[in-house]
Amino acid sequence: EAQVTQNPRYLITVTGKKLTVTCSQNMNHEYMSWYRQDPGLGLRQIYYSMNVEVTDKGDVPEGYKVSRKEKRNFPLILESPSPNQTSLYFCASSVLAGGTDTQYFGPGTRLTVL
Amino acid sequence: RKEVEQDPGPFNVPEGATVAFNCTYSNSASQSFFWYRQDCRKEPKLLMSVYSSGNEDGRFTAQLNRASQYISLLIRDSKLSDSATYLCVVNGENNRLAFGKGNQVVVIP
Repeated sequence: EAQVTQNPRYLITVTGKKLTVTCSQNMNHEYMSWYRQDPGLGLRQIYYSMNVEVTDKGDVPEGYKVSRKEKRNFPLILESPSPNQTSLYFCASSVLAGGTDTQYFGPGTRLTVL
Repeated sequence: RKEVEQDPGPFNVPEGATVAFNCTYSNSASQSFFWYRQDCRKEPKLLMSVYSSGNEDGRFTAQLNRASQYISLLIRDSKLSDSATYLCVVNGENNRLAFGKGNQVVVIP
């Protein structure tokens, strides 16, 4: 089944404790990205990647890191999480490297930072 | 002006009625337009792409008005299962996709 998977789906952590949210797609998509969704603010892009070893900042990159060592995986790293990073996170992928075609979203990761 | 603007609603719609809403965008050079559906706390899923000539998919009709820079979505014969938030998505100033905050639709029995 073609899909985007994320893990964990739910996470409660404490300020400063490094964490990684994994994202994997099995559709051989070129483009992958991370979004966060907050009430009243909609979906905002954190980072995106047009290909292996090619990543770039989105609209709200502060406090996050990403890597794209393999085409299928695009982990999101929070080196020192803070409470303002409490949010619902979505990973997405799309066929075209430009990322302006249909986005396929993972199921989301609900993160709470205490 | 925000890249994509939507009236959040909620749009309370009697079952069987028609509901329509618009989304305005700021980038006159935009070429990609989509409507996504998002159920509460779940991932957005593509509802339909929006083409220049307008397009229809069952009870859903999407239109693009380039002159006034808006896209619209019309839902006919609303079902309870249509209750969701509908996100407008457009490629923005930097050619990355920009998401609206969504139109919340509540279909009332």
